[in-house]
Amino acid sequence: GQQVMQIPQYQHVQEGEDFTTYCNSSTTLSNIQWYKQRPGGHPVFLIQLVKSGEVKKQKRLTFQFGEAKKNSSLHITATQTTDVGTYFCAAFEYGNKLVFGAGTILRVKS
Amino acid sequence: EAQVTQNPRYLITVTGKKLTVTCSQNMNHEYMSWYRQDPGLGLRQIYYSMNVEVTDKGDVPEGYKVSRKEKRNFPLILESPSPNQTSLYFCASTTGGAYDGYTFGSGTRLTVV
Repeated sequence: GQQVMQIPQYQHVQEGEDFTTYCNSSTTLSNIQWYKQRPGGHPVFLIQLVKSGEVKKQKRLTFQFGEAKKNSSLHITATQTTDVGTYFCAAFEYGNKLVFGAGTILRVKS
Repeated sequence: EAQVTQNPRYLITVTGKKLTVTCSQNMNHEYMSWYRQDPGLGLRQIYYSMNVEVTDKGDVPEGYKVSRKEKRNFPLILESPSPNQTSLYFCASTTGGAYDGYTFGSGTRLTVV
């Protein structure tokens, strides 16, 4: 089945620093979704990217979909303690079968 | 309030004792799915359902059963739980529309001793 590889597994940043997580696939993706899971919480849908080269922003979060639709990234500018959590990318294999990456755990030192 | 409701939130059980985790959504979503979350492995899909009476296996279906008799409910059944099924379980649903993400329940933490 389709796999999405996510790196890094873990990142610890100083508050105010930037953070980026990457998602890669060996196959072309139809679209990609991003989720955030706060510690002790459940995944919450952030955004979906569909078009090649697409860039979308949500306040300090910037999401990109690669030109070849095989990779994606989530960049957070000037992290805050509220950004703490695990960020997952996810892609559809077929139908509505959503496959998740292993996630990147973000910790922010204040 | 639009939501996915799972019960129970926490469950400790013994090996071999059948259990059911319930999941219900009030958004009239067609697609529902069960995931388990284990450290370092992310979210792995157990089963999913595209509509009433239509279900299919995910990546880790062994030891689990599901049913979709009504659109709103999608229970997860463990006929004979084993310790390797100790995990955090999430139910999720979506309309399946173009830019729709999954809405997740609050999770069920299951421990099998």
